[in-house]
Amino acid sequence: ETVMTQSPVTLSVSPGESATLSCRASQGVSTNLAWYQQKPDQAPRLLIYGASTRATGIPARFSGSGSGTEFTLTISSLQSEDSVIYYCQQYNKWPLTFGGGTKVEIK
Amino acid sequence: EVQLVESGGGLVQPGRSLTLSCTTSGFTFRDHAMSWFRQAPGKRLEWVGIIRSKLYGGAAEYAASVKGRFTISRDDSNNIAYLQMNSLETEDTALYFCSRGKIGGVRHWFEHWGQGTRVTVSS
Repeated sequence: ETVMTQSPVTLSVSPGESATLSCRASQGVSTNLAWYQQKPDQAPRLLIYGASTRATGIPARFSGSGSGTEFTLTISSLQSEDSVIYYCQQYNKWPLTFGGGTKVEIK
Repeated sequence: EVQLVESGGGLVQPGRSLTLSCTTSGFTFRDHAMSWFRQAPGKRLEWVGIIRSKLYGGAAEYAASVKGRFTISRDDSNNIAYLQMNSLETEDTALYFCSRGKIGGVRHWFEHWGQGTRVTVSS
């Protein structure tokens, strides 16, 4: 199983600043990596797939990068509605696996 | 508009069975893989399993934690995916989501999700 590790667990950022979230895979997943945003008790919202391709309707201030085992999600110009939990997910091999999440807080 | 609606959740005793449904609309259901996920309270998202479209063999893959107890099936005539859960354990308590995979056999990301249905396993 490919273990996904996200850091930090919690990130506190001022409005308008940038947030950088990290995701590490225990083995290479190429660019088969997605990022999701989730509010409590709601379904995840796909932000990024293919490590760097924004999903339909996702603002340009969300960007993804990386390949292999190291990935980054950057949220520029942080807004209040961005204060939720973010998960990375690899889809390179079964079982599909998620990271533990990063909670973004607004200072 | 793509829509997915889960149903069938509820309170069930350990060892019993429950079947969840995912009723869909707004896309060509038979072309897409369909997947189930779950999230226990305060925990990370967990993939449960996926069923491929018949075009790609129609087989299913499962997480180790549910393999042998859970079965995913699909009704392409009525655009519904099912998750049959047997021998339920307290650890299966979670909010269950269905999601649409892409057209293809492997390497799925998930853009469209249902709102979830809650399953509580307790005596």
